[in-house]
Amino acid sequence: DIQMTQSPSSLSASVGDRITITCRASQDIRNNLVWYQQKPGKVPKLLIDTASTLQSGVPSRFSGSGSGTDFTLTISSLQPEDVATYYCQKYVSAPLTFGQGTRLELK
Amino acid sequence: QVQLVESGGGVVQPGRSLRLSCAASGFRFRTYGMHWVRQAPGQGLEWVALIQNDGSKEYYADSVRGRFTISRDNSRDTLYLEMNSLRAEDTAVYYCAKDWNDRGYDYWGQGALVTVSS
Repeated sequence: DIQMTQSPSSLSASVGDRITITCRASQDIRNNLVWYQQKPGKVPKLLIDTASTLQSGVPSRFSGSGSGTDFTLTISSLQPEDVATYYCQKYVSAPLTFGQGTRLELK
Repeated sequence: QVQLVESGGGVVQPGRSLRLSCAASGFRFRTYGMHWVRQAPGQGLEWVALIQNDGSKEYYADSVRGRFTISRDNSRDTLYLEMNSLRAEDTAVYYCAKDWNDRGYDYWGQGALVTVSS
């Protein structure tokens, strides 16, 4: 099975910082990579599909990139409402494995 | 609007069984694949199972294969997860999630808590 490895596992940053979260697949998954945001006590929310397509209503400060085995979620200017845990998921060929998550906090 | 409402969670002893249901509304249920995803307390998301829109194929995580069965009733717009031989490590909030054209989950239920404890 393909493994998904996210880094870092946690991150503390200031408002306005540029944030980068990486997700690595153990095998080529082309662009079949999804990013979710889960705020404390809430249900996960789909942010980005097919590695780089921003969902409707998601702020443009979020972006995704990558293909093959290496992927990146970037927040260009961190806002207080972005405090959450972020998960990647490979969305091809079961099992549809999630990364272990990246917990993002404010300094 | 789209709604997914799970039910059937609760406290169960190790080795026993439980069935979760997910009632769907607001979309053409029979058109979409459906998934179960779980989250143990304080932990990350774990994909559990997938069933295709017509129920013809099912897929499972290794951790539940042979113990859990995903099914659906398209006449009732309802998804199920039959969980047998439950273990303490199955304790989690179980979410049903709607596939969006093989591009992720666009809708999630609110979750059903399953606690496996003696």
